[in-house]
Amino acid sequence: EVQLVESGGGLVQPGGSLRLSCAASGFTFSSYWMSWVRQAPGKGLEWVANIKQDGSEKYYVDSVKGRFTISRDNAKNSLYLQMNSLRAEDTAVYYCARSSVDLHYFDYWGQGTLVTVSS
Amino acid sequence: DIVMTQTPLSLSVTPGQPASISCKSSQSLLHSDGKTYLYWYLQKPGQPPQLLIYEVSNRFSGVPDRFSGSGSGTDFTLKISRVEAEDVGVYYCMQSIQLPLFTFGPGTKVDIK
Repeated sequence: EVQLVESGGGLVQPGGSLRLSCAASGFTFSSYWMSWVRQAPGKGLEWVANIKQDGSEKYYVDSVKGRFTISRDNAKNSLYLQMNSLRAEDTAVYYCARSSVDLHYFDYWGQGTLVTVSS
Repeated sequence: DIVMTQTPLSLSVTPGQPASISCKSSQSLLHSDGKTYLYWYLQKPGQPPQLLIYEVSNRFSGVPDRFSGSGSGTDFTLKISRVEAEDVGVYYCMQSIQLPLFTFGPGTKVDIK
């Protein structure tokens, strides 16, 4: 059974940093692109970043470029999101999601971890 | 960037009655490979999104056949033939023609009368 379990969320002050983790199991992690998708409280879904199987390609939504870094450790079956210079508008539930084989959709999602940016 | 819009933004449906949600994209989602990269997700309360429909009209594994998708180019529709209580939640369309970027619609909240 595919499982994605996020962790690392919490309360952080504006300008602060946080590192999210996603532990994957039930599939060959190193064979899939992975993404982070976020959802602000009461709002819709926003794709944040994704990473190729070997980590050689990474892409970001414009609003987080230069502040967030996506990475992975295939030996540990783990996905990460390093978030720096956090802003109030980054407050959201962050979901880890697996990309489908054809890359065009997300077929499995974690339960999400809440990040709150507030003083 | 492609912008996705949905109508209505909320919908209240009597159980057993049909429901329909429209999704429009600012650019055609028909790729040169012949596929149209439009997807529908349902996010039930307190849960992550789950895929319902891929490539406009194909039901994902385990999705009941009361759900159907249609459309082409820039105009798409999700239909529920007979709404059940378990169908409540927010429905999102999503485009992925411009990989590696993805864009979701604003969502349509469906509840039961």
